[in-house]
Amino acid sequence: LAKTTQPISMDSYEGQEVNITCSHNNIATNDYITWYQQFPSQGPRFIIQGYKTKVTNEVASLFIPADRKSSTLSLPRVSLSDTAVYYCLVDKSNTGNQFYFGTGTSLTVIP
Amino acid sequence: GAGVSQTPSNKVTEKGKYVELRCDPISGHTALYWYRQSLGQGPEFLIYFQGTGAADDSGLPNDRFFAVRPEGSVSTLKIQRTERGDSAVYLCASSLRGGIGETQYFGPGTRLLVL
Repeated sequence: LAKTTQPISMDSYEGQEVNITCSHNNIATNDYITWYQQFPSQGPRFIIQGYKTKVTNEVASLFIPADRKSSTLSLPRVSLSDTAVYYCLVDKSNTGNQFYFGTGTSLTVIP
Repeated sequence: GAGVSQTPSNKVTEKGKYVELRCDPISGHTALYWYRQSLGQGPEFLIYFQGTGAADDSGLPNDRFFAVRPEGSVSTLKIQRTERGDSAVYLCASSLRGGIGETQYFGPGTRLLVL
């Protein structure tokens, strides 16, 4: 299984940068790392995806070290609306049970 | 166009009954996925369709669960002889072609409660 490990929860004040790290020790050569965000009573929403080094888009950055056994989602200057559960996903499309979300990190942004 | 839609949004049934959950993917998306999410847990993969065929059904928990996608668009997840442990949110997602590295677009889910 493409297991991932993340902190169960994190708190942050508004305006701060938040970094959430995910461990994926058994990542394979062709696997991508994808992060999703989920609000209560909604389906997960794609945030960012990467393969190696650093990826940045309008909402987040994703840092992946050379060994790719972990990745860090960085949310700049969080607001109250960023309170959600964040999932790290290793996309192993060439094997069974290919989409494994794990338990996610519950981020609470405090005013 | 519209995103992924799921019906019904909520379903309450009694133990032992049969239920069907429907998913309308984004138009043109060939890949469709079903997940189940229990309270406080992440989505759990059930099945993945590529077109009309089930490319990976390794996540279906037992033979009470079955899914179809006869015309390669709408999919129905069918649960026979429901049990209380089947209570969860059932999520559907679609992606353009399926396979590694693609973004999955999720629907709002169907909340199933088995009494």
